[in-house]
Amino acid sequence: DIQMTQSPSSLSASEGDRVTISCRASQSIARYLNWYYQKPGKAPKLLIHTASSLQSGVPSRFSGSGSGTDFTLTITSLQAEDFATYYCQQSHSYPFTFGPGTKVDVK
Amino acid sequence: EVQLLESGGGLEQPGGSLRLSCAASGFTFGTFAMSWVRQAPGKGLEWVSSVSSGGDSTYYADSVQGRFTISRDNSKNTLYLQMNSLRVEDTALYYCAKVIYYASSGYSDWGQGTLVTVPS
Repeated sequence: DIQMTQSPSSLSASEGDRVTISCRASQSIARYLNWYYQKPGKAPKLLIHTASSLQSGVPSRFSGSGSGTDFTLTITSLQAEDFATYYCQQSHSYPFTFGPGTKVDVK
Repeated sequence: EVQLLESGGGLEQPGGSLRLSCAASGFTFGTFAMSWVRQAPGKGLEWVSSVSSGGDSTYYADSVQGRFTISRDNSKNTLYLQMNSLRVEDTALYYCAKVIYYASSGYSDWGQGTLVTVPS
């Protein structure tokens, strides 16, 4: 099975900050990497699919990059509604494992 | 508008069984792969199982292989998860999720979840 790791596990930031979250796969997954965010008590929401494709309706301050084993989610100017937990997920091969999550909270 | 409505969760003793359902609407159900994803209280997301659009291919996490069975009824626009031999560690909120396009394209739509509790 492919293992996914994320760093950092948590970070504190302020509105307007540029935030970067990393995700690493234990083996190459080409560009089959998706990013989600989740707020407490809510279902996850897809932000980015296939490494860098912005999901419909998602603000352009979110972007994704990477291929192979190393991927990055960037939020260019953090907004109040972006404080949440972010997960990466590989969809290259079953089981479609998720990363452990990165919690972004208020500094 | 895509809607996914899970049901069937509840309190079940270890070793027991539950059947979860996910009623889908707002899209052509039979043309999309579907999945179940769970989240234990205070924990991260765990992919559980997926089924192809026609129902002929199924996939499972190691943690549920041999105990859970995913299926779908395209005539009823409904996804199922039969959960047998339940364990304490199966306690979680279970979401059904729809892919964007093809099976490996990420989950664009999620239900609100149904809670399964297996007490120790």
